[in-house]
Amino acid sequence: DGGITQSPKYLFRKEGQNVTLSCEQNLNHDAMYWYRQDPGQGLRLIYYSQIVNDFQKGDIAEGYSVSREKKESFPLTVTSAQKNPTAFYLCATKLGQGGGTEAFFGQGTRLTVV
Amino acid sequence: SQQGEEDPQALSIQEGENATMNCSYKTSINNLQWYRQNSGRGLVHLILIRSNEREKHSGRLRVTLDTSKKSSSLLITASRAADTASYFCATDYSSFNYGGSQGNLIFGKGTKLSVKP
Repeated sequence: DGGITQSPKYLFRKEGQNVTLSCEQNLNHDAMYWYRQDPGQGLRLIYYSQIVNDFQKGDIAEGYSVSREKKESFPLTVTSAQKNPTAFYLCATKLGQGGGTEAFFGQGTRLTVV
Repeated sequence: SQQGEEDPQALSIQEGENATMNCSYKTSINNLQWYRQNSGRGLVHLILIRSNEREKHSGRLRVTLDTSKKSSSLLITASRAADTASYFCATDYSSFNYGGSQGNLIFGKGTKLSVKP
């Protein structure tokens, strides 16, 4: 964590519902990222944002949407178009998008479809 | 996806032993980073090694990088039960060929380390 707050920690979604995962940071970092982690798997990039009001698709953006209206906040919406949303979602930040800097992670949100 | 690949997938050792994990990647990189993840938690950055460095130390951690073989290793010396976690390498690519943007970290699937007391 270290200045990155993800909420809620656990989230349950019914079939066909949209849900929004929150990520807030007080590190004054420009770059923010959303990753998805499935059991026994590495992290896969969903979306990233280098600056306010701008964001880019990652590897697995289908069924997800984001916004970056404030530097501190990068919420992720899991839409009903995401067919297999059950996973552990991690938000991360970096000082800048340029290479050579470490990423800081939140504690994650575990999403389960019921 | 141009992920790094860690090896082994799982490693079980006794306290006091050394643990070595390896990572292979596919294209030119700016740097390679190692992260640790305790079960059900976020990742924590351990160490970063730049492409022009061959070895780096941080406490009980030693990281090596061989850019000719596109591989890195993480050595944890004198392991403790508290080192039990998953360890991931992440590559920071030097070109815009992957993912459209330099600076995105590409993670491997991790090595699950279990240190028995």
